Amino acid sequence: DTAVSQTPKYLVTQMGNDKSIKCEQNLGHDTMYWYKQDSKKFLKIMFSYNNKELIINETVPNRFSPKSPDKAHLNLHINSLELGDSAVYFCASSPPGTSGGDQETQYFGPGTRLLVL
Amino acid sequence: QKEVEQDPGPLSVPEGAIVSLNCTYSNSAFQYFMWYRQYSRKGPELLMYTYSSGNKEDGRFTAQVDKSSKYISLFIRDSQPSDSATYLCAMSRVKTSYDKVIFGPGTSLSVIP
Repeated sequence: DTAVSQTPKYLVTQMGNDKSIKCEQNLGHDTMYWYKQDSKKFLKIMFSYNNKELIINETVPNRFSPKSPDKAHLNLHINSLELGDSAVYFCASSPPGTSGGDQETQYFGPGTRLLVL
Repeated sequence: QKEVEQDPGPLSVPEGAIVSLNCTYSNSAFQYFMWYRQYSRKGPELLMYTYSSGNKEDGRFTAQVDKSSKYISLFIRDSQPSDSATYLCAMSRVKTSYDKVIFGPGTSLSVIP
């Protein structure tokens, strides 16, 4: 019944490794997002996809690559992990904004806590 | 200057108190204003949403927007221990999936029984 799910919930890895985080939503939403929340709780958007099309690509290192195989899934792959990548990564989704839906109502997943050692 | 500023707290109040949480912002193009609540180790959830200036009430929660001062507030009446969480203000320019939502850094609130 989980609306937005992420796997894994926790990820501990060494510097230099490559890792992926997966996200799935069963709400039928068109738009999905990746956010990064640092240790000071600052939630910052990284990417958004609308119907599998990349819409927002904030200034993030190109070691981060999102992939949307279909509109219910948005994965995040991170290459050559660095210490500064340690954070909580949230996936979110929202209904179509251009059709009168509430784009502001973003539904967040539980987060993936990434620790890079 | 950051686009959205918020006092991080922590804010500690006794049960039953009225809580006032505030954000200021610099971009006058923002028109849609939201408050999200985030419990520890959980994702944020939308609490209140307002468009342009004015007030909106929902149960014990009231959101206020003053665009002339670039200032938004969230009031919680009769605060409960279950209100203990981090409150994030958020805002966007247009109502579309093509615009990003900017979040404040959050205010941590503890309501003491």
